[in-house]
Amino acid sequence: AQSVTQLGSHVSVSEGALVLLRCNYSSSVPPYLFWYVQYPNQGLQLLLKYTTGATLVKGINGFEAEFKKSETSFHLTKPSAHMSDAAEYFCAVGRNYGGATNKLIFGTGTLLAVQP
Amino acid sequence: SAVISQKPSRDICQRGTSLTIQCQVDSQVTMMFWYRQQPGQSLTLIATANQGSEATYESGFVIDKFPISRPNLTFSTLTVSNMSPEDSSIYLCSGWTDNTGELFFGEGSRLTVL
Repeated sequence: AQSVTQLGSHVSVSEGALVLLRCNYSSSVPPYLFWYVQYPNQGLQLLLKYTTGATLVKGINGFEAEFKKSETSFHLTKPSAHMSDAAEYFCAVGRNYGGATNKLIFGTGTLLAVQP
Repeated sequence: SAVISQKPSRDICQRGTSLTIQCQVDSQVTMMFWYRQQPGQSLTLIATANQGSEATYESGFVIDKFPISRPNLTFSTLTVSNMSPEDSSIYLCSGWTDNTGELFFGEGSRLTVL
């Protein structure tokens, strides 16, 4: 079975400060990992994903995440927060289904607030 | 990126009624899924919409309550039957594209049941 834990349902940072959103996963097989962002009253948008290869993954809007197998983590970071980053962020793990990884299991989400 | 359109975007429904949500995807999508996002919570997978056959439901979801159709590759419907206030949620249609290995989402259908 696979699962995702996001530590911190609410994170607040100042504009220009480092953003760190934590995600830990549990998986009996090599995971595919995703970060999605949801702006108010909108659907989810993919920020970045890890499948295989380089463990440091760069995404849109200056975000990146590093897959650390030893720590079963896939934390999302951004060096300098912008007001427009305020949104809810979801970590997800791909669940093997007939060899495919397209059925995603989502974490509970982290609401990011950016203070001026 | 894949384009996924859902309607209605929101609705207010009376207890005991049913509502059908429609989802149209573009041709890049190979698999379609329906998720539920209850207020303040994360996304829960309801079912995989299979083309021309019965949907595959996740634990806790049944066909009688959430009948799903997918008559062709690019269209699916989700019906929420005999609604109660507990069904007030955002229902999200999603599509997987093999070429990029990504799951795309529609903007969701926000249902409020009174």
